[in-house]
Amino acid sequence: LAKTTQPISMDSYEGQEVNITCSHNNIATNDYITWYQQFPSQGPRFIIQGYKTKVTNEVASLFIPADRKSSTLSLPRVSLSDTAVYYCLVGASGGYNKLIFGAGTRLAVHP
Amino acid sequence: KAGVTQTPRYLIKTRGQQVTLSCSPISGHRSVSWYQQTPGQGLQFLFEYFSETQRNKGNFPGRFSGRQFSNSRSEMNVSTLELGDSALYLCASSSRTGGSPTYEQYFGPGTRLTVT
Repeated sequence: LAKTTQPISMDSYEGQEVNITCSHNNIATNDYITWYQQFPSQGPRFIIQGYKTKVTNEVASLFIPADRKSSTLSLPRVSLSDTAVYYCLVGASGGYNKLIFGAGTRLAVHP
Repeated sequence: KAGVTQTPRYLIKTRGQQVTLSCSPISGHRSVSWYQQTPGQGLQFLFEYFSETQRNKGNFPGRFSGRQFSNSRSEMNVSTLELGDSALYLCASSSRTGGSPTYEQYFGPGTRLTVT
């Protein structure tokens, strides 16, 4: 599975847009990019997944450039409740349900 | 639809003892995975079960084992507990069988194990 690199931490303020970038230089052709969110003492929660270009759902957008060596999770108008750790994962569409988590990005949203 | 449930939520054990944790997946999900989360090592994959068979295993010693029942419920067991086994143990279920591109797993709230 491709190794991912993300910032260790980020700070933002309520109402701002937050962009978290993840590098995955060794992404394979059939790998998907997935983001999870985790609050303290809870299990991670799936946010969004994509393969290329842009994916948007009710909570976030995922931007993937043509070379797919990086991806950006965009959270519009964050609130205090968005304070969490965000994980970027890269893995094959086939294979088994084995998720490899990196250190994640600790996002702190301030009032 | 009910989410993934894990029991017990909290557990305190003594070094050398063994422990069994239980996980009930979302109804209809046949894949159950287990993860260990510690401040030092982060989230690490333990193993995955699908249709009562272990399909994948992480890099953990043989003291960590698991099984899955015909109703997809799963248990994991840790024998001869060590202080370093103190962690949040998370269970995740998925409807993904391996061919679908969907990589969504649904996590339970975890079992907080403390070894003294």
